[in-house]
Amino acid sequence: AQSVTQLGSHVSVSEGALVLLRCNYSSSVPPYLFWYVQYPNQGLQLLLKYTSAATLVKGINGFEAEFKKSETSFHLTKPSAHMSDAAEYFCAVSDLSGGYNKLIFGAGTRLAVHP
Amino acid sequence: EPEVTQTPSHQVTQMGQEVILRCVPISNHLYFYWYRQILGQKVEFLVSFYNNEISEKSEIFDDQFSVERPDGSNFTLKIRSTKLEDSAMYFCASSSKGSGGHEQYFGPGTRLTVT
Repeated sequence: AQSVTQLGSHVSVSEGALVLLRCNYSSSVPPYLFWYVQYPNQGLQLLLKYTSAATLVKGINGFEAEFKKSETSFHLTKPSAHMSDAAEYFCAVSDLSGGYNKLIFGAGTRLAVHP
Repeated sequence: EPEVTQTPSHQVTQMGQEVILRCVPISNHLYFYWYRQILGQKVEFLVSFYNNEISEKSEIFDDQFSVERPDGSNFTLKIRSTKLEDSAMYFCASSSKGSGGHEQYFGPGTRLTVT
């Protein structure tokens, strides 16, 4: 069965610092991978996705993620954190075992950005 | 920009009561999903729906749950007899295709509180 592990339930960075949110996956087939962001009292918004094209994926709001098959990782980065980046971030893998797409989510990482 | 909408935003009900959570997916989407997030836990898949029938359901989605697309726009989740452990945020999502690399668009969620 496919699964996602996000290391670090809480990450705190200074404004302007590098953001690194970790995601490792397990999958028996080449995966499709996603990062979603959830702002307080809002739904999940797609940041970026990996669908077997370029291994370095660029998303919205300056975020990017690199798919590393050898490490089964899909870590999310942003060179310079902004206060507005404070939110919860979810890594997800697409599971086609049932023949139809469903998302398997990690536990989430709450990002805090302080001045 | 088209979006998924959900009503109500917050529902409080007594244990044993029936609740219906409503969703309006993006109009040209064909695949519909329900997920839930118990407070402090990960987002979990409940059910996927395509062509007026359930395509996959999780172990959580037992006989107390049902889904319906009563007309061309709404997609509903019914819990027949609510339990305390049904308290969670319920997210509806839709996508244009069912294959793995396609984005699921999420609504803002309905917070269900069972007392």
